[in-house]
Amino acid sequence: AQSVTQPDIHITVSEGASLELRCNYSYGATPYLFWYVQSPGQGLQLLLKYFSGDTLVQGIKGFEAEFKRSQSSFNLRKPSVHWSDAAEYFCAVGKAAGNKLTFGGGTRVLVKP
Amino acid sequence: KAGVTQTPRYLIKTRGQQVTLSCSPISGHRSVSWYQQTPGQGLQFLFEYFSETQRNKGNFPGRFSGRQFSNSRSEMNVSTLELGDSALYLCASSLTTDSNQPQHFGDGTRLSIL
Repeated sequence: AQSVTQPDIHITVSEGASLELRCNYSYGATPYLFWYVQSPGQGLQLLLKYFSGDTLVQGIKGFEAEFKRSQSSFNLRKPSVHWSDAAEYFCAVGKAAGNKLTFGGGTRVLVKP
Repeated sequence: KAGVTQTPRYLIKTRGQQVTLSCSPISGHRSVSWYQQTPGQGLQFLFEYFSETQRNKGNFPGRFSGRQFSNSRSEMNVSTLELGDSALYLCASSLTTDSNQPQHFGDGTRLSIL
């Protein structure tokens, strides 16, 4: 069975500082990996996805993620955080066919001025 | 292009009642998935529909059911509501069942059970 772990429940970062969110997955085959962001009272917005190819993936809003098969990780990074990045971030794993996603528990990011 | 529309946005029910939630996908999208989001269990997959057929089902009791219409709109129904059914129910649509196609989420229906 597939699973996703996000070790950090909360992260506080100063505006302008870098951000890294950790994600570890467990999946028997080649994983389809996603990062979503959720602002309060809203649904999920896709930041980026990885299926194959280059292990460094660029997404929207200046985010990037790196797939490391040897570590079963797919960490999300942003070089300089803006106050509008305060939200909850979810890592998810899916299969090649079908849209069922298994989500991690989420990491809530707080941005200090 | 309109996004995924979920109605109603908020709903209050009492234990034992039943409820129907609606999801209108993005125009042209034929796959609709439903998720339940709670503070304790996080985001959990309920089911996925494509071309009016259920393609995938999560680990939820039979009280949770869904359907999809010929215009790809989807409804989910929860019968005999329990306090633990209080949650944000999210719908997502995509063009096909191919994971290469991104899923677009609606803003959800927040269901409160009294």
